[in-house]
Amino acid sequence: GAGVSQSPRYKVAKRGQDVALRCDPISGHVSLFWYQQALGQGPEFLTYFQNEAQLDKSGLPSDRFFAERPEGSVSTLKIQRTQQEDSAVYLCASSSGTEGWGSLGEQYFGPGTRLTVT
Amino acid sequence: DAKTTQPPSMDCAEGRAANLPCNHSTISGNEYVYWYRQIHSQGPQYIIHGLKNNETNEMASLIITEDRKSSTLILPHATLRDTAVYYCIVRVTTDSWGKLQFGAGTQVVVTP
Repeated sequence: GAGVSQSPRYKVAKRGQDVALRCDPISGHVSLFWYQQALGQGPEFLTYFQNEAQLDKSGLPSDRFFAERPEGSVSTLKIQRTQQEDSAVYLCASSSGTEGWGSLGEQYFGPGTRLTVT
Repeated sequence: DAKTTQPPSMDCAEGRAANLPCNHSTISGNEYVYWYRQIHSQGPQYIIHGLKNNETNEMASLIITEDRKSSTLILPHATLRDTAVYYCIVRVTTDSWGKLQFGAGTQVVVTP
């Protein structure tokens, strides 16, 4: 079956531009996560949705970052007035929403969007 | 969630077992050990997880010490496609809503 897809795969933005990154999770997955991965580092958590509700946005680095998932499926991460320090790979992950006994807690990751701010 | 310590890199010969260590000396009794890997230009991929007992699946084996302060991921017969960054993560829940806290991981290079 189809995995998590992200678009675009690569994005070059001039400093100060707004960008929108899209994530299509696995169909039926309740949970959706966004992570940011700087070059040579491990991914860092940004935000989490359960269906359409954004339950945790503690990792968003500034108010220039905004994420939404209006219908509980596709999600968009928007970055306003991009800065050079925003250059990174943005990863989206989804999971089934299972919990408790028997849950593996696996997250399925997309290939990421590489954002370069010039 | 507890912190983990991994060596930054290691090499492994193709066909041999790769043993990847991870220290998590501050792990709590209810925290799980998860392993993910990230092949170049791809997103991370779940490998295995465990609480106390050793675990095995089609990808790897996970050996957790009795005091749970460290663990080893074993790739029994490494192939070139196993070249990746391997992340050891300690996590308080198996619930799928729990975020993952990645460290820097171990860059594993499998050589012919």
